[in-house]
Amino acid sequence: DAGVIQSPRHEVTEMGQEVTLRCKPISGHDYLFWYRQTMMRGLELLIYFNNNVPIDDSGMPEDRFSAKMPNASFSTLKIQPSEPRDSAVYFCASSTVAGVPYEQYFGPGTRLTVT
Amino acid sequence: EDKVVQSPLSLVVHEGDTVTLNCSYEVTNFRSLLWYKQEKKAPTFLFMLTSSGIEKKSGRLSSILDKKELFSILNITATQTGDSAVYLCAGGAGNNRKLIWGLGTSLAVNP
Repeated sequence: DAGVIQSPRHEVTEMGQEVTLRCKPISGHDYLFWYRQTMMRGLELLIYFNNNVPIDDSGMPEDRFSAKMPNASFSTLKIQPSEPRDSAVYFCASSTVAGVPYEQYFGPGTRLTVT
Repeated sequence: EDKVVQSPLSLVVHEGDTVTLNCSYEVTNFRSLLWYKQEKKAPTFLFMLTSSGIEKKSGRLSSILDKKELFSILNITATQTGDSAVYLCAGGAGNNRKLIWGLGTSLAVNP
């Protein structure tokens, strides 16, 4: 199994630009989570989906952030417009009801730098 | 508000030492406590605990949960440089698969 796949691995952009992060969960997994990790705040859950439906987006910082999951094998997290305070590592994770409860498998992350 | 607090925030030891990492939690509808290891990449799963007093073991790592006092500890014996990482603790609540994460303990094992 290829594991959770994220792209790009690194993104450097200027303030005000649109950023799109991509995630392919493990095949057969029915939960998908988007996290942001910083030194100050640790791992923060932004949004998660169950069977492609957003369940909880209370962690999305503001309207500049949006996430979609058009099908079971693809999700995007978009930031528009980006700001320097959005600089962080963004992780995608997936899990399955058939596995260990709550165990989440993480992708390699996207390191975003907004200048 | 739900929260998970880990201590210490960082720790430096020598190879061969034994370390104990602490995790306390206040999680509504608590179900499980999970430990993850994060090297310079994505977190990887170590243990999940749901019952008090039952120790989980994997080689030199072991963990135990106290649901009365709302804490868990992760022990690492005979530490090696490869144990250097951030150790994350998370609480699982309800049926929604959501995890509440601590900030982590950064462990450095020196040769």
